Amino acid sequence: DTGVSQDPRHKITKRGQNVTFRCDPISEHNRLYWYRQTLGQGPEFLTYFQNEAQLEKSRLLSDRFSAERPKGSFSTLEIQRTEQGDSAMYLCASSQRGGPGNEQFFGPGTRLTVL
Amino acid sequence: RKEVEQDPGPFNVPEGATVAFNCTYSNSASQSFFWYRQDCRKEPKLLMSVYSSGNEDGRFTAQLNRASQYISLLIRDSKLSDSATYLCATGGFKTIFGAGTRLFVKA
Repeated sequence: DTGVSQDPRHKITKRGQNVTFRCDPISEHNRLYWYRQTLGQGPEFLTYFQNEAQLEKSRLLSDRFSAERPKGSFSTLEIQRTEQGDSAMYLCASSQRGGPGNEQFFGPGTRLTVL
Repeated sequence: RKEVEQDPGPFNVPEGATVAFNCTYSNSASQSFFWYRQDCRKEPKLLMSVYSSGNEDGRFTAQLNRASQYISLLIRDSKLSDSATYLCATGGFKTIFGAGTRLFVKA
């Protein structure tokens, strides 16, 4: 399967714990995005990488959130001191620079539940 | 006002019906427009990009009206398998999604 992959698919954690999610984009894609989606809402933009450079961060991404893409391939999203309000689906997407209209392709997501 | 707004529905239609969704956006500088389909508890999947001239893919037709800042999606001859949430999105790398419109196609 050459699509976007995410790991883990599900994560249950206790409030106050740190969690880290991984995203592997489509191999030839140099752009990578993180979104958060809650029930009944569309995906909310969190951050964007072009290769290893993080070019945009949403104000939704508080100090407890950090994302990296150290070698321009896979990316990690870390949430420190999780809160119940962090419970959501975290989606990763990738696209190819210069691709038609920046069409993005999503991974299956990581569903986070904070108890 | 939200940057991208959609009628949440749900739209309940019989098989074979034609259904249309509209989506309005507030950023007049938006250059890219998309429709995504999302099945329950799955990731969004790109349905089609929306071009200024409009575009068609089988039973699906998307149109863009820049003057009124809305995009539309028309589904003809609805199938049971079309039941899903349809998300519109605008923008470039910082893509802004609407909350989605739920469609139920019934036999």
